[in-house]
Amino acid sequence: KNQVEQSPQSLIILEGKNCTLQCNYTVSPFSNLRWYKQDTGRGPVSLTIMTFSENTKSNGRYTATLDADTKQSSLHITASQLSDSASYICVVRRSGNTPLVFGKGTRLSVIA
Amino acid sequence: NAGVTQTPKFQVLKTGQSMTLQCAQDMNHNSMYWYRQDPGMGLRLIYYSASEGTTDKGEVPNGYNVSRLNKREFSLRLESAAPSQTSVYFCASRKVGTGTNEQFFGPGTRLTVL
Repeated sequence: KNQVEQSPQSLIILEGKNCTLQCNYTVSPFSNLRWYKQDTGRGPVSLTIMTFSENTKSNGRYTATLDADTKQSSLHITASQLSDSASYICVVRRSGNTPLVFGKGTRLSVIA
Repeated sequence: NAGVTQTPKFQVLKTGQSMTLQCAQDMNHNSMYWYRQDPGMGLRLIYYSASEGTTDKGEVPNGYNVSRLNKREFSLRLESAAPSQTSVYFCASRKVGTGTNEQFFGPGTRLTVL
């Protein structure tokens, strides 16, 4: 079954600290993996998109990694800010024009 | 360039009432999607339109109908609303072609069915 599992479900960190969010998937055949940020009351916004051949991709303080062999991805946030408080959703696309497979998200709270 | 827009932002219905959620995109995208998001669950696909003139069921289509009015607009209709349809609804679009074809989401419609 095509699934995307994220951990932890929720996380609270102090402003300025780093954190890493995890994503495991069983989606096949794999096309690409995306991380989205969803602020409360808003739609998801793409942070990174990685294809099979990409191991690491950065977007400012966000760095995503992908291990296609173990079917794992992580999103590392450096020097967290209060504005990083949001849900982070891991999404995998299968090959072909097929619907995306969404994880349930990790709810991150950054506190002062 | 507004991206993906949705109306209304909020709506309260009584059980059995009908309504249409509107979605429009100005990015000349081929494909459009309707999702619902419920607490503790990932986004679930209701219906999608791979291209103008076509629509297909997603994971949770029961109780909904859609219309791809033209390339820009994709509406979602609830014919007889039920409390189980209380949710946040997101419309999305993407351009199908070469590359990673990112999907862009609208701001959402928060629907409550009493």
